[in-house]
Amino acid sequence: KNQVEQSPQSLIILEGKNCTLQCNYTVSPFSNLRWYKQDTGRGPVSLTIMTFSENTKSNGRYTATLDADTKQSSLHITASQLSDSASYICVVSSTGGGNKLTFGTGTQLKVEL
Amino acid sequence: DVKVTQSSRYLVKRTGEKVFLECVQDMDHENMFWYRQDPGLGLRLIYFSYDVKMKEKGDIPEGYSVSREKKERFSLILESASTNQTSMYLCAIKSQPKFIFGQGTRLTVV
Repeated sequence: KNQVEQSPQSLIILEGKNCTLQCNYTVSPFSNLRWYKQDTGRGPVSLTIMTFSENTKSNGRYTATLDADTKQSSLHITASQLSDSASYICVVSSTGGGNKLTFGTGTQLKVEL
Repeated sequence: DVKVTQSSRYLVKRTGEKVFLECVQDMDHENMFWYRQDPGLGLRLIYFSYDVKMKEKGDIPEGYSVSREKKERFSLILESASTNQTSMYLCAIKSQPKFIFGQGTRLTVV
């Protein structure tokens, strides 16, 4: 069964600090891995998309890494801001049309002063 | 940028009511999806459509139906709403390589 597990479930950090969110997956056959940011009461917004051959991808202060051998990904947030408070969802797509997505349950990040 | 619009942000309906959730896209994308999101379960696919009048069941289609009469509009229908259908409903379109989500509809069935 395809699964995506994220850790930690929730995290509180001080503004300006860095943090790293983890994603482990058992999705096969693998197509790509996406990280989404979801503000409370809103739909998810795409941050990064990585295919099998990509190890790292950045989007501003967000940097995602992918290790396809160990089936792990991380999302690193640098110099956090209050607006980074959100749920971060890891999503893995399997091949065969690319419409089959397996979602993690998300990491709830809160950035405090 | 592609825009995905869901007709309501918040909705409260009574048990047994027929409920329509509407999703509209402003580009010519074939693939449209309906998900529901519940705490601790992540997003789960209810139905998707790959063209007008074409639909496929997702992982949890029971209690739902869909309609795609025009390319830009994908409707999710709860034939007889039940309290276990209280959830956040998200519409998405596939704009290669991204999936773009609507703002979500928080449905409460009382």
